[in-house]
Amino acid sequence: AAGVIQSPRHLIKEKRETATLKCYPIPRHDTVYWYQQGPGQDPQFLISFYEKMQSDKGSIPDRFSAQQFSDYHSELNMSSLELGDSALYFCASSVGLGTTLSYEQYFGPGTRLTVT
Amino acid sequence: DAKTTQPPSMDCAEGRAANLPCNHSTISGNEYVYWYRQIHSQGPQYIIHGLKNNETNEMASLIITEDRKSSTLILPHATLRDTAVYYCIVRVPSAGNMLTFGGGTRLMVKP
Repeated sequence: AAGVIQSPRHLIKEKRETATLKCYPIPRHDTVYWYQQGPGQDPQFLISFYEKMQSDKGSIPDRFSAQQFSDYHSELNMSSLELGDSALYFCASSVGLGTTLSYEQYFGPGTRLTVT
Repeated sequence: DAKTTQPPSMDCAEGRAANLPCNHSTISGNEYVYWYRQIHSQGPQYIIHGLKNNETNEMASLIITEDRKSSTLILPHATLRDTAVYYCIVRVPSAGNMLTFGGGTRLMVKP
């Protein structure tokens, strides 16, 4: 079965640079979520989109922005990178916003971002 | 969201049942119990969810007490590949759609 695709899988950037992470949800899934997981920490929700509109916002820094496109893929744009942004970034997708199905989220393999 | 409490770690022998408890004593009537797991550095994986009835799927069984204040995730025949952090999450379907991970149980399956 098709899964969530994330690219790139690994990314190394320097401080103050920008990075763009991409997420391709499972076909027919209409909602995309972004989570950040720092070293030794639990995943933290950043932001989500339903039908190309932002649906929820968590602890996403102002330096980060995201959007969902007409083909439902999503991009997380990160600017003025800081050392503390080094983390695993997971994308997840689901269907049925507002129903129990929306919490059956299917996660991608993650992008490991290293900021030096 | 109701607060959940899980033991920080548990061991289980390979081939035996793994029973992972979760306390959610402040759960409200319309909150569902979801279980996820995260194998080291992989994306979290949905396992199962329930409201008040016991549930079973190909991965696990979920037993919810009659008063709904606690639940148990059962992996009937644990394998080494089940070694992971298991998260119990309580959510109301309409209260936003983010998952809040925290305080999971690190299950170590040993040969």
